[in-house]
Amino acid sequence: QKEVEQDPGPLSVPEGAIVSLNCTYSNSAFQYFMWYRQYSRKGPELLMYTYSSGNKEDGRFTAQVDKSSKYISLFIRDSQPSDSATYLCAMSFGYGANSKLTFGKGITLSVRP
Amino acid sequence: DSGVTQTPKHLITATGQRVTLRCSPRSGDLSVYWYQQSLDQGLQFLIQYYNGEERAKGNILERFSAQQFPDLHSELNLSSLELGDSALYFCATARAAQGVTEAFFGQGTRLTVV
Repeated sequence: QKEVEQDPGPLSVPEGAIVSLNCTYSNSAFQYFMWYRQYSRKGPELLMYTYSSGNKEDGRFTAQVDKSSKYISLFIRDSQPSDSATYLCAMSFGYGANSKLTFGKGITLSVRP
Repeated sequence: DSGVTQTPKHLITATGQRVTLRCSPRSGDLSVYWYQQSLDQGLQFLIQYYNGEERAKGNILERFSAQQFPDLHSELNLSSLELGDSALYFCATARAAQGVTEAFFGQGTRLTVV
């Protein structure tokens, strides 16, 4: 079993839709949960992060962590064509510059105008 | 622009050859991670260096090696290349930021082995 599993894609939605992206993980020691966004031909960039369980909101984006179910989600409200990208969940055990990130495979989202 | 520089951007080489990929971190970032990204495997962690020392190792093949130099730049060496090594190779660098490892990625090196 992979440490981090991400829903397979691709995913295509119309502009304005609510998007739900999900990951599950197997190691309960993960404490930091992140979402990275990767545009075509670019490196991933950090979108949001959450520590432990709970929700975090940033504009149209909401990150949710349920540690009891080992399940994390990213919700995008009022999706825009500019949100079209690959979204990767990532997790780490500790914190600081010496903690490695474990990524999901990523899901490619396409938002149709 | 993340501030992390990877060179070269593209590399085409033959099977059996050896290549070196280079990563220059953002100023002040002590940690360097190397990742391999392919369509079927996603982003796979290879190895991490922190301030010159190897800190964590992932599924890195014995044909691959890396090092981080005193000026904190890093190199990933890939030898005896096989067709299956064709992939995007990313480096990411990080510093502690509010308890979260915010890794900044370079634009990647696209390696094609023919």
